[in-house]
Amino acid sequence: ETGVTQTPRHLVMGMTNKKSLKCEQHLGHNAMYWYKQSAKKPLELMFVYNFKEQTENNSVPSRFSPECPNSSHLFLHLHTLQPEDSALYLCASSQEGTVRGEKLFFGSGTQLSVL
Amino acid sequence: AQKVTQAQTEISVVEKEDVTLDCVYETRDTTYYLFWYKQPPSGELVFLIRRNSFDEQNEISGRYSWNFQKSTSSFNFTITASQVVDSAVYFCALSEGYTSGTYKYIFGTGTRLKVLA
Repeated sequence: ETGVTQTPRHLVMGMTNKKSLKCEQHLGHNAMYWYKQSAKKPLELMFVYNFKEQTENNSVPSRFSPECPNSSHLFLHLHTLQPEDSALYLCASSQEGTVRGEKLFFGSGTQLSVL
Repeated sequence: AQKVTQAQTEISVVEKEDVTLDCVYETRDTTYYLFWYKQPPSGELVFLIRRNSFDEQNEISGRYSWNFQKSTSSFNFTITASQVVDSAVYFCALSEGYTSGTYKYIFGTGTRLKVLA
């Protein structure tokens, strides 16, 4: 139990659907992250939020829309996805996000399949 | 360019064997951090170790040990007397500085370790 909870664990959606991934951390951290994990590729950083402000958008297509209403919750809204977006989406948190060498705490991820 | 290379895609060993997972990194920063994370089948990455660039001392924690060599830009991870519970994907990562003040991780592609009973 890392203190970071992601829902749902699995999601299957069509290309025209709209869905949202949810992440909640109970660690009192101020930074939250979305990562994409595809087979045989390094983890790709998608978005970073520090104190609810987005500080990083790693050239992510607009069909992925993040939302961070407070330091404990992070959402990833999905719409008109493509089959190549199928992957494991991992949420992580850290104490501040601006301190070098911080540890990341990860959730178990949402396995997304786009049909 | 910043990069982390884990050349071993998958390793299979028999229980009780020792196994070393390789990690080679590239960075222009003089100050940086290196990490190893373990991803069991449940999915979440779990922190194992952090090492800063000024500390080249090797570290041992139970059956785990890490060998950091700046001269070869390597940060290798050895599991002694492997167990079935060690089966997982292991990621090496590099954290370095950016002018924006947000320090990003660069992960390798991971090494899948299978320990057979």
